[in-house]
Amino acid sequence: QKEVEQDPGPLSVPEGAIVSLNCTYSNSAFQYFMWYRQYSRKGPELLMYTYSSGNKEDGRFTAQVDKSSKYISLFIRDSQPSDSATYLCAMSSLLMEYGNKLVFGAGTILRVKS
Amino acid sequence: DTEVTQTPKHLVMGMTNKKSLKCEQHMGHRAMYWYKQKAKKPPELMFVYSYEKLSINESVPSRFSPECPNSSLLNLHLHALQPEDSALYLCASSDPTSGTFYEQYFGPGTRLTVT
Repeated sequence: QKEVEQDPGPLSVPEGAIVSLNCTYSNSAFQYFMWYRQYSRKGPELLMYTYSSGNKEDGRFTAQVDKSSKYISLFIRDSQPSDSATYLCAMSSLLMEYGNKLVFGAGTILRVKS
Repeated sequence: DTEVTQTPKHLVMGMTNKKSLKCEQHMGHRAMYWYKQKAKKPPELMFVYSYEKLSINESVPSRFSPECPNSSLLNLHLHALQPEDSALYLCASSDPTSGTFYEQYFGPGTRLTVT
């Protein structure tokens, strides 16, 4: 079993739709949860991060963490064609002395059609 | 400035060549990372440098040799690579002393092709 599971998609939605992206994980030591966006042939870009359970909102993006279910989500409201990219969830346990090791999900390919 | 730069953008090398990838950041981050990313796969951690010392080596073959000459620079020396090493090589950095230590900033990557 992989430490982090993420449906690779592709997920295709019309412009303006609400998008829901999800990951599940098995390692209870994960405390920090991140979502990265990666455009084709570019490096990943940090979108959102959350610590422990709860919600965090930033503009059109909302990140949710449910540690009891080991489940995280990213919601995108009013999706735009420019949101078309691969979305990677990533998780980390506390390893400050060494720098932190991120464990990534497989990434979900999102296509927003105009 | 949250920029991590990587050179070259593209690299084609033969299996007997020696080449190096370079990564630079000026954010004062003291943790730097090399990742390998194959097509349609997530990044896989290769090495972590913390305060210019190698702190994590994820059992990477010795044909990949990292180097951190100073706090802003990270190199990856390549020698006798195999075609299966063709991938996007990503560099990232983070600040291990701040409350946002888990935020890693990625460079655009070097697309490596081994022929």
